[in-house]
Amino acid sequence: DGGITQSPKYLFRKEGQNVTLSCEQNLNHDAMYWYRQDPGQGLRLIYYSQIVNDFQKGDIAEGYSVSREKKESFPLTVTSAQKNPTAFYLCASSVWTGQDSPLHFGNGTRLTVT
Amino acid sequence: LAKTTQPISMDSYEGQEVNITCSHNNIATNDYITWYQQFPSQGPRFIIQGYKTKVTNEVASLFIPADRKSSTLSLPRVSLSDTAVYYCLVGDDTGTASKLTFGTGTRLQVTL
Repeated sequence: DGGITQSPKYLFRKEGQNVTLSCEQNLNHDAMYWYRQDPGQGLRLIYYSQIVNDFQKGDIAEGYSVSREKKESFPLTVTSAQKNPTAFYLCASSVWTGQDSPLHFGNGTRLTVT
Repeated sequence: LAKTTQPISMDSYEGQEVNITCSHNNIATNDYITWYQQFPSQGPRFIIQGYKTKVTNEVASLFIPADRKSSTLSLPRVSLSDTAVYYCLVGDDTGTASKLTFGTGTRLQVTL
């Protein structure tokens, strides 16, 4: 089955440590995205990538970094510069970045930083 | 950026039809209207998308009036498993999915 795999499902880190969240897709989609969701809130866009070796900042990119070296992979690093890193992180992909291309989401990684 | 307004929550009994209306007064000519469903601790799932008039698929219908300033997601005969948060999304005329905004959505609670 095609889909998006995020790992791990739960992640715990100490404050001051960088942590990398994995996102892999086998849908052959060009575009990939990272969102953050806080309790009771909607999703906010962190970064997106339209194609391999390209990525753009979203609305809340500060304290995060990404890479897109392969079409199927779009890892997100939460750095120690991110002030409030504890959240639910969602990765998505789409055929392209047009509005008419539905987003396919993974099941998320819940990050807790103490 | 085209904003959307939808009810914070709705309740329904199993077997009823549920209609969730979304207002988007500033929708641009190029914008699509897209609905997603999200269960707790899961990623959102695409339900339906439309541009004008009516769209129907195996799970829902989307009604869009001629002025496109609102849209209604219709879920026929809901079951307990339809309890979820439903998001209405409209873009900002750039035509890109990266400009879609997920608000807080409508929390639908279905009971027996």
